[in-house]
Amino acid sequence: EVQLEESGGGLVQPGGSLRLSCSAVGFRFSDYGMYWVRHAPGKGLEFVSAISSNGGSIYYADFVRGRFTISRDNSKKTVYLETSNLRTDDTAVYYCVKDRIRWSGGFESWGQGTLVTVSS
Amino acid sequence: EIVLTQSPGTLSLSPGERATLSCRASQSVSRDFLAWYQHKAGQAPRLLIYGASRRATGVPDRFSGSGSGTDFTLTISRLEPEDFAVYYCQQYGDSPPYPFGQGTKVEIK
Repeated sequence: EVQLEESGGGLVQPGGSLRLSCSAVGFRFSDYGMYWVRHAPGKGLEFVSAISSNGGSIYYADFVRGRFTISRDNSKKTVYLETSNLRTDDTAVYYCVKDRIRWSGGFESWGQGTLVTVSS
Repeated sequence: EIVLTQSPGTLSLSPGERATLSCRASQSVSRDFLAWYQHKAGQAPRLLIYGASRRATGVPDRFSGSGSGTDFTLTISRLEPEDFAVYYCQQYGDSPPYPFGQGTKVEIK
């Protein structure tokens, strides 16, 4: 059974940083693209970032480019989202997501999310 | 970047009724790589449909997807109590970012 577990969320002041982690079990992690998606209070789902199976291709939404960095360690079956210069509108639940196939198959499996609250 | 517009914003229906949700893209979705997700409060989203019309593993057959190019539809043939939720479409063709629509809330009438 595929399981994704996010960690690293919490309360941070504007301008601060957090490192989100997502550990994976139940599938061959190194074979799949991974994503981060967020859900802000009262808003819809937002694509945040993507990383290919070997980490060679990386993408960001415009609103996080230059502030967030995605990476992965296939030996640890973990994907990361390094966030910096956080703003109040970055407050959201951040979900880690596995692709249905190696790449571009749809967002098949989701973690339960980790809450990031940006507030002074 | 493709913009997805969902309609209606809210759909008020009774259990047993048919739900029809629309998703329109600002340009043609590559290879009809269009997905639908169900999201309930406090839970992780769930993939329902991929490739515009293919049900994901374990999804009941009352859920169906159709459409191609720029116009797509999610149909729930007979609403069950557990189907009341927010539904999002998403395109995942070409390269990321993969935007979502703004969502349609299906609520109990």
